[in-house]
Amino acid sequence: KAGVTQTPRYLIKTRGQQVTLSCSPISGHRSVSWYQQTPGQGLQFLFEYFSETQRNKGNFPGRFSGRQFSNSRSEMNVSTLELGDSALYLCASSYDRIYGYTFGSGTRLTVV
Amino acid sequence: AQTVTQSQPEMSVQEAETVTLSCTYDTSENNYYLFWYKQPPSRQMILVIRQEAYKQQNATENRFSVNFQKAAKSFSLKISDSQLGDTAMYFCAFMKQAGTASKLTFGTGTRLQVTL
Repeated sequence: KAGVTQTPRYLIKTRGQQVTLSCSPISGHRSVSWYQQTPGQGLQFLFEYFSETQRNKGNFPGRFSGRQFSNSRSEMNVSTLELGDSALYLCASSYDRIYGYTFGSGTRLTVV
Repeated sequence: AQTVTQSQPEMSVQEAETVTLSCTYDTSENNYYLFWYKQPPSRQMILVIRQEAYKQQNATENRFSVNFQKAAKSFSLKISDSQLGDTAMYFCAFMKQAGTASKLTFGTGTRLQVTL
């Protein structure tokens, strides 16, 4: 059974650019969540999608957005990149959240 | 808002020994879920164990067990017979009873080093 797949694994972008990260959940999982991990702020919740609808959103500026497609694959977009957006972005999927989430290996974004 | 505190930034244990990682949380909720996740250098977060707050019995998964003290809002992880492969960051996480606003709230993590 394939796990949660995130692409790309590494990304280097310049300030002011925009970036799109992709996440393919485990087959059958309709819930997809995104987290940002940094040494200073730790793991912070970005948003959750379920059946193509955003179900919950964290405390991040509007530059951070996401969407989910009919096949449950999800993308997150960050516009007008800032140096502080450098982080590991983790995607997690779940069939039923009460049993926990399965995480991908993340996308390491570096903004220069 | 819920908060999760892991007061041990780093711990070290010898192979085959037992180690306990601490976690406390603050919430006004009565029903919720607690999790321990492991993050090795490969970066992937791996679910180690979960506990439902309404269950008094402590969860156990092979060498991993928890000591859940609901009144004290404490949720510690015990690793028995430690193995080199247990070396990783360990995160404690809280989730309210599933609803539209549910999300994982993580602690700051404990870096565990298993040595020979």
